[in-house]
Amino acid sequence: AQSVTQLGSHVSVSEGALVLLRCNYSSSVPPYLFWYVQYPNQGLQLLLKYTSAATLVKGINGFEAEFKKSETSFHLTKPSAHMSDAAEYFCAVGYGQNFVFGPGTRLSVLP
Amino acid sequence: KAGVTQTPRYLIKTRGQQVTLSCSPISGHRSVSWYQQTPGQGLQFLFEYFSETQRNKGNFPGRFSGRQFSNSRSEMNVSTLELGDSALYLCASSWGTGGDNEQFFGPGTRLTVL
Repeated sequence: AQSVTQLGSHVSVSEGALVLLRCNYSSSVPPYLFWYVQYPNQGLQLLLKYTSAATLVKGINGFEAEFKKSETSFHLTKPSAHMSDAAEYFCAVGYGQNFVFGPGTRLSVLP
Repeated sequence: KAGVTQTPRYLIKTRGQQVTLSCSPISGHRSVSWYQQTPGQGLQFLFEYFSETQRNKGNFPGRFSGRQFSNSRSEMNVSTLELGDSALYLCASSWGTGGDNEQFFGPGTRLTVL
């Protein structure tokens, strides 16, 4: 079965600092990859999606992610954190008929 | 285009009762998936319905069931509620079934079992 790991259940950055949220997946075949964000008391919102068209994917709110097949990684980055980025972030893998979510990383942004 | 709607948003029940949650997908979407989200277990897949048929099922007891109607609206039912069923239940819809279909989530129903 496929699995998704997200290193760090909680990440803290200062406002204006680089955001890096890590995601690794287990798959012998490149899957479809997604990043979702969840703000308090809300559902999940799609940030970006990798579909093999380009290894660097740009999403909403200034986020982007790079697919690295050799590392089976799909890390999420944002050059400059904003207070409004504080939320929980989920990496997800789609393959076949299935959709698997990682455990999530809570991002705190410090003033 | 209206998003995924879930009703009710909040629910309080007592142990042993049953509950039914409702989800209306985005217009044109035929797949509906349900997830349970808890602080300890994270997001766990319950089941997926496509064209009124259950396509996929997670590792939950038979007390958890669901169905989908011809208009793609879906309901999930939990019978004989336990304290551990307290969670945020999320519904997601997608155009088709399969891992390449991005899922659109509703705001969730927060169920509290006392």
